[in-house]
Amino acid sequence: RKEVEQDPGPFNVPEGATVAFNCTYSNSASQSFFWYRQDCRKEPKLLMSVYSSGNEDGRFTAQLNRASQYISLLIRDSKLSDSATYLCVCSDAGNNRKLIWGLGTSLAVNP
Amino acid sequence: NAGVTQTPKFQVLKTGQSMTLQCAQDMNHNSMYWYRQDPGMGLRLIYYSASEGTTDKGEVPNGYNVSRLNKREFSLRLESAAPSQTSVYFCASSTPTGSNQPQHFGDGTRLSIL
Repeated sequence: RKEVEQDPGPFNVPEGATVAFNCTYSNSASQSFFWYRQDCRKEPKLLMSVYSSGNEDGRFTAQLNRASQYISLLIRDSKLSDSATYLCVCSDAGNNRKLIWGLGTSLAVNP
Repeated sequence: NAGVTQTPKFQVLKTGQSMTLQCAQDMNHNSMYWYRQDPGMGLRLIYYSASEGTTDKGEVPNGYNVSRLNKREFSLRLESAAPSQTSVYFCASSTPTGSNQPQHFGDGTRLSIL
């Protein structure tokens, strides 16, 4: 089993739609969690950290469920510019300086 | 703000040639990382440096060496390039404070080995 698992998609949604991605992680001792976005042939960019209480940044909401070991990302009012691959990331339980990366979920927002 | 700067952006090598990928960060981060990204494989850690003067192997270190020249710079060297090392290479850095340590990436080096 992969340490961080994501549905690869692709998710095809119309502009204005709400879309949610889930991700599961295998090591319950992981301490830090993030969502990154990666555009085609570009570097990963931090979208948001994920906190235990859940957190929101504009149209984006992240949730962490430690009991079930999953992380979610909700995007409301999707824009064309949201089209990208979304990477779920958690810290290595044995070494907090290292990150464990999911393979990503592909999102295409259509006009 | 420059952030993390990688050079070169593109490179084509012949099998057996050597080269060094350069990375520098201006964010005063202690930790630096080298990853490679291949289709269907995701990001894989090659080497990392938790702080100046230390380096450690990641998931796929074979065929690579690294040097943490100072706090700002972390270079990756291919001594004898092989076609299997054709990939996109990303350098990243992070701050050591607390448990929340997101990494910040350079824009990558696209390397082809013929």
